[in-house]
Amino acid sequence: GESVGLHLPTLSVQEGDNSIINCAYSNSASDYFIWYKQESGKGPQFIIDIRSNMDKRQGQRVTVLLNKTVKHLSLQIAATQPGDSAVYFCAENQGGKLIFGQGTELSVKP
Amino acid sequence: GAVVSQHPSWVICKSGTSVKIECRSLDFQATTMFWYRQFPKQSLMLMATSNEGSKATYEQGVEKDKFLINHASLTLSTLTVTSAHPEDSSFYICSAGRGRLPYEQYFGPGTRLTVT
Repeated sequence: GESVGLHLPTLSVQEGDNSIINCAYSNSASDYFIWYKQESGKGPQFIIDIRSNMDKRQGQRVTVLLNKTVKHLSLQIAATQPGDSAVYFCAENQGGKLIFGQGTELSVKP
Repeated sequence: GAVVSQHPSWVICKSGTSVKIECRSLDFQATTMFWYRQFPKQSLMLMATSNEGSKATYEQGVEKDKFLINHASLTLSTLTVTSAHPEDSSFYICSAGRGRLPYEQYFGPGTRLTVT
């Protein structure tokens, strides 16, 4: 039968507001981190990445923050739009393999 | 650039049969390809890593005799689910790595497998 899994954490925001999605990673030796966006029934889509020698990186409307002290990663989305509604995963590189976090479902209310 | 395709996008098969899923990097040569499985409302779980011309490396708990991976070329990897059972029903996603470690990984669109 189907395995029972945890429900994804959800974040609901109003269109135009900023969104902050958090992720705790597991391995202090991980040297590279990526945020992915996954829409229903599709594969993950690259959003932004950051290497462990940085603590902040900005892209278009997105910013990733890395706090290695507490092994925490966050994704900030500015002026969130309905098209941003999706599940967001952080992933950490461990020796060439990506280990994905639990994911957060972002819902944008118009 | 960096497009990865999967075929089929969805498949329904009967219990006990085998199903093959293809993963292709369309515009680049992939150093390494990866296979993931994703159950509803869950994260992606890495199943195996494959390099062209060599045996795949399977993650702990993944049966290599059940999930056969063939990486025949730098642009093609296949995953065969043998003797499929309903519990194998899932969303299977491949990715192709380009360049040096840490690889830039490009994901395919996924294949929905339903075993009846």
